[in-house]
Amino acid sequence: NAGVTQTPKFQVLKTGQSMTLQCAQDMNHNSMYWYRQDPGMGLRLIYYSASEGTTDKGEVPNGYNVSRLNKREFSLRLESAAPSQTSVYFCASSEVQGVQPQHFGDGTRLSIL
Amino acid sequence: GENVEQHPSTLSVQEGDSAVIKCTYSDSASNYFPWYKQELGKRPQLIIDIRSNVGEKKDQRIAVTLNKTAKHFSLHITETQPEDSAVYFCAASTGAGGTSYGKLTFGQGTILTVHP
Repeated sequence: NAGVTQTPKFQVLKTGQSMTLQCAQDMNHNSMYWYRQDPGMGLRLIYYSASEGTTDKGEVPNGYNVSRLNKREFSLRLESAAPSQTSVYFCASSEVQGVQPQHFGDGTRLSIL
Repeated sequence: GENVEQHPSTLSVQEGDSAVIKCTYSDSASNYFPWYKQELGKRPQLIIDIRSNVGEKKDQRIAVTLNKTAKHFSLHITETQPEDSAVYFCAASTGAGGTSYGKLTFGQGTILTVHP
């Protein structure tokens, strides 16, 4: 079992470029999440998907879009990257929304110049 | 929405000592409180969690206590070892109907250093 797999692991973009971060889980979890982690600020929720076919905004959704492609996959898109989006991005999944542990991927380190 | 405050931001202990990290939360409807450990450059990993129907939970050297009246919960690590050195995050979420339903709100993290 791979758990939660994120690609790519590292990426450097120029301001204004777009890209999609991919996330897939093989645990048959219903809920999936995207977080960003910045120094001294913990993890902040960008978007989440409680179940296949639904997505909702988290704490910091501006500048991002998401797609729940199927039960396994949840992608995060930056349409026009900005230096403020330089961060480490983590995808996570849980069996159901709510009071269940979340399992994290290894993260994507994104730098925007 | 939920707000979680975590203290201290850094904690340095000698091997064998105990370490305590405290968190407070704002939403009285919160009922799930996990703790994550994150080693440098790695993913956050769940080490223990507690639900609001219990006041304490233990797993070997790790324990978590919850005081719902005061809206705070704490992580206790006994007999610390150098491999316990990492960043620890607390988090809170609510069940159905709560303002943070299904959404974990994290504390800012505590950098724990255990000196041999």
